[in-house]
Amino acid sequence: GDSVTQMEGPVTLSEEAFLTINCTYTATGYPSLFWYVQYPGEGLQLLLKATKADDKGSNKGFEATYRKETTSFHLEKGSVQVSDSAVYFCALAHGSSNTGKLIFGQGTTLQVKP
Amino acid sequence: EAGVAQSPRYKIIEKRQSVAFWCNPISGHATLYWYQQILGQGPKLLIQFQNNGVVDDSQLPKDRFSAERLKGVDSTLKIQPAKLEDSAVYLCASSLGREETQYFGPGTRLLVL
Repeated sequence: GDSVTQMEGPVTLSEEAFLTINCTYTATGYPSLFWYVQYPGEGLQLLLKATKADDKGSNKGFEATYRKETTSFHLEKGSVQVSDSAVYFCALAHGSSNTGKLIFGQGTTLQVKP
Repeated sequence: EAGVAQSPRYKIIEKRQSVAFWCNPISGHATLYWYQQILGQGPKLLIQFQNNGVVDDSQLPKDRFSAERLKGVDSTLKIQPAKLEDSAVYLCASSLGREETQYFGPGTRLLVL
């Protein structure tokens, strides 16, 4: 079945460092891909998404490119801030099922130190 | 615009007891989802409603879990009887339609002792 795999956490960085969180997926067909973020004490929020191959999603300085050839959707940010500390979830929605059901990875905790 | 509301925020019960969670989606959102998030894992879909009809309940343990969405607005998720492995955060999400962005509530954290 469909699945999403994220890099293990926690990831600890200093402020202004470059961030990469790896995400790969397994799915038949052409899923849509998402990054959700969960800040401490808050609910899941959509960070960015891409719906077809080579699309780049971006928001708040974060970017991810839908790479069909490597089945990846890695999250990047050029300069992280303390306020970016959160848990990041990669997810897919399988278009062929037409339900919108999200399949999540296990999450990666990011800690940014001043 | 008000977000997805859930209650209670926290619940502690003993195994074999019953518990119910409530969700009020964003006004006008036709699609409602219940996810289970076990500590250290990503959320897993339990059940999805389109208005008041069930779209997907393939991963709902139907011997103990039930859910309803009367009148296509609010929804309740019930567990009876609870097991230790049901300890998790239960997330409700809603969207305008099946392929639209999902908005999540704050979740209900359940601890089964």
